[in-house]
Amino acid sequence: GIQVEQSPPDLILQEGANSTLRCNFSDSVNNLQWFHQNPWGQLINLFYIPSGTKQNGRLSATTVATERYSLLYISSSQTTDSGVYFCAVDTRNSGNTPLVFGKGTRLSVIA
Amino acid sequence: DGGITQSPKYLFRKEGQNVTLSCEQNLNHDAMYWYRQDPGQGLRLIYYSQIVNDFQKGDIAEGYSVSREKKESFPLTVTSAQKNPTAFYLCASSPKTGGEIFNEQYFGPGTRLTVT
Repeated sequence: GIQVEQSPPDLILQEGANSTLRCNFSDSVNNLQWFHQNPWGQLINLFYIPSGTKQNGRLSATTVATERYSLLYISSSQTTDSGVYFCAVDTRNSGNTPLVFGKGTRLSVIA
Repeated sequence: DGGITQSPKYLFRKEGQNVTLSCEQNLNHDAMYWYRQDPGQGLRLIYYSQIVNDFQKGDIAEGYSVSREKKESFPLTVTSAQKNPTAFYLCASSPKTGGEIFNEQYFGPGTRLTVT
């Protein structure tokens, strides 16, 4: 099945710093989503971005489907950005698994 | 408010007992999903359902069962056959447009199950 790799696995930032999180996937995809999992476990939708670029406030994402990667940019980070960021993809070629998740990037923003 | 609810938030059971986790959505979504998350890991698919009275196994269906008798409800039963049931369980749903299941998924708050 499709492989999803996220990097870096852990990231510590000073408040106000910028960061880039990467998601590589091994096959063509029909859907790609970025999620933020807060400390209470809730998964919050950030972007639905199978291709192209989107922006929402301090966050933006770019997916280059032909090169099989996606990037999540966080600018002017805040302590509330802390948590785990997941990339998830789906492909109709991977059997009956609608979304395949990466292992996530754990972000800690310190004041 | 529209959304996905899961209950209870925390659940404790003795080994050997079956337990059912609730998932309800009022988003009028056709598809619903159950995922399992273990500490430090991503999510893995247990079961999903595209339509009422139909569901498909995911990658780790062994030891679990589901039903989809109503569009808004997709309960998950963790049976005594599941060897490592202690985990965080997340339910999700997605709209179904154009006959495709592969749409943006939205998640409930999750249920933490501890089996001792």
